[in-house]
Amino acid sequence: DGGITQSPKYLFRKEGQNVTLSCEQNLNHDAMYWYRQDPGQGLRLIYYSQIVNDFQKGDIAEGYSVSREKKESFPLTVTSAQKNPTAFYLCASGRTGGDQPQHFGDGTRLSIL
Amino acid sequence: QKEVEQDPGPLSVPEGAIVSLNCTYSNSAFQYFMWYRQYSRKGPELLMYTYSSGNKEDGRFTAQVDKSSKYISLFIRDSQPSDSATYLCAMSANAGGTSYGKLTFGQGTILTVHP
Repeated sequence: DGGITQSPKYLFRKEGQNVTLSCEQNLNHDAMYWYRQDPGQGLRLIYYSQIVNDFQKGDIAEGYSVSREKKESFPLTVTSAQKNPTAFYLCASGRTGGDQPQHFGDGTRLSIL
Repeated sequence: QKEVEQDPGPLSVPEGAIVSLNCTYSNSAFQYFMWYRQYSRKGPELLMYTYSSGNKEDGRFTAQVDKSSKYISLFIRDSQPSDSATYLCAMSANAGGTSYGKLTFGQGTILTVHP
């Protein structure tokens, strides 16, 4: 079955630690996205990538980094510079174009120890 | 002021009721409109996708877009307990460059349908 796989489902971070969230898709989509979701808020865009080896900052990129070395994979690193990392992180993919809906994985919940 | 406003609810209705969910927006460049359903601890799943103004129906779900009023709605007929979820509206502009493909979301409305 085609889809988006995010791992791990739950992740805990210690102070000063970087952690990496995995996102893999087998939908053959060119575009991939990372969102952050906080309680009572909509999704906010962290980073997105329209093509391999290229990515752009979204609305809340500070304290995060990404890479796009393969079409299928778009990992997100939450760095120690992100002072409030506790949130639900969602990865999405879609065909390139402003008229294409995005499809989502089931998220990673990140908490601080 | 947020670009997309959505009443967070919560909204509680009896089984069989008609549910109306709404979003307003301020960016007149938005042309593509989506509704997502999100169950607890899951990712959003696409329910409805419409372009420009008009209505679209899919089973018990109807999406309406009124671009002149910058207002979109999702109607659920004969609501079921399994419809209990958070409903997110999302929209995008038909623009090139770095805006291409970016979605802007509402805050989400929490819906509970009780038997």
